[in-house]
Amino acid sequence: GAGVSQSPSNKVTEKGKDVELRCDPISGHTALYWYRQRLGQGLEFLIYFQGNSAPDKSGLPSDRFSAERTGESVSTLTIQRTQQEDSAVYLCASSFSKDTYGYTFGSGTRLTVV
Amino acid sequence: RKEVEQDPGPFNVPEGATVAFNCTYSNSASQSFFWYRQDCRKEPKLLMSVYSSGNEDGRFTAQLNRASQYISLLIRDSKLSDSATYLCVVNGGGSYIPTFGRGTSLIVHP
Repeated sequence: GAGVSQSPSNKVTEKGKDVELRCDPISGHTALYWYRQRLGQGLEFLIYFQGNSAPDKSGLPSDRFSAERTGESVSTLTIQRTQQEDSAVYLCASSFSKDTYGYTFGSGTRLTVV
Repeated sequence: RKEVEQDPGPFNVPEGATVAFNCTYSNSASQSFFWYRQDCRKEPKLLMSVYSSGNEDGRFTAQLNRASQYISLLIRDSKLSDSATYLCVVNGGGSYIPTFGRGTSLIVHP
């Protein structure tokens, strides 16, 4: 597609439930990043995928968080047993392998845990 | 020391003013630099890349000072529509993960 697509745009879930967030990157972009942004805060790196290489999971805050990506296509971020502190906007970005042209973000998923 | 630091502001300026932001980075091997703009409750959007020789795009000028490890953004003739948070992004130097600054808030008033 023309841009990075994320779904759902908004998600309200009960504490303890699992949620799955989806990111569809720009075609041809081999790199994909997930970030979290809490209200009024900066972007917090979560995970990075590059082609078929092993992902860099160094930013995942706990083992309740996991992400997958098949090849250079769609990625899903799963949060198990959600907690109120997980409430944030989850942003996905993609780029070419060489980041000369920067990173393109999706519009994010606003997650609210009640 | 944080990897990428920015003055959070807010910078409150009148229309037509010139305003400049700096961003310092800690990894001297960093190779890629960008300025992003983020409007309230929106995703960050690329404003411009920052090249070693400096670059200009209309009213916006970006510069890189490797010796002092900072990048700058200059906005001339500020418009109301320039009101946003400006994020500094740094990458490279052994990492493929872009690091974002916390952003500098700009408010342009009539």
